[in-house]
Amino acid sequence: SAVISQKPSRDICQRGTSLTIQCQVDSQVTMMFWYRQQPGQSLTLIATANQGSEATYESGFVIDKFPISRPNLTFSTLTVSNMSPEDSSIYLCSARLGLYYGYTFGSGTRLTVV
Amino acid sequence: DAKTTQPPSMDCAEGRAANLPCNHSTISGNEYVYWYRQIHSQGPQYIIHGLKNNETNEMASLIITEDRKSSTLILPHATLRDTAVYYCIVRVGGSQGNLIFGKGTKLSVKP
Repeated sequence: SAVISQKPSRDICQRGTSLTIQCQVDSQVTMMFWYRQQPGQSLTLIATANQGSEATYESGFVIDKFPISRPNLTFSTLTVSNMSPEDSSIYLCSARLGLYYGYTFGSGTRLTVV
Repeated sequence: DAKTTQPPSMDCAEGRAANLPCNHSTISGNEYVYWYRQIHSQGPQYIIHGLKNNETNEMASLIITEDRKSSTLILPHATLRDTAVYYCIVRVGGSQGNLIFGKGTKLSVKP
């Protein structure tokens, strides 16, 4: 399975600013995903990061708030824009090597907005 | 929306088998059932997945009912390190689909 590295592992940010989270996979992967996990809650899918095209967002998530880049088959970024305290969550990157492989998760980025 | 229902919490004695149930009564014929677990402050860890047949690996066994409307994850000899939130997930969107997490079961393994 793929190994995923996320940076930063945690950050404390001022409201109104933006944070870009990086996700690096040690193999070329066909699919990458971004999730949010609010305190005490389960994971919610934000979007599927598509290589060479715009990300596909789930209901309730928009590109202006969570712009995503996927410049190649091993790397993606998620930006949390114009942050408010409600954005305080763990953000997780996930990847899948291919159709016959499982889904691997990074260890997450713990974001606190003050 | 998640297509699975799990009990919010369960206890299990160390060394005994932990049987975690999951209902997925609206599952479609080609949708797989995945199990992941999340130990505090870590990313979800893959356990097992299946379509129709029972599956076993080094971590666990997955028993899927014949009508596929429910399944059970079995940890044969639970240890304290198995304390975690266990998620039963039905993959939506076909073979290129994604995982939609439900609320999971908090399993507490006690000495």
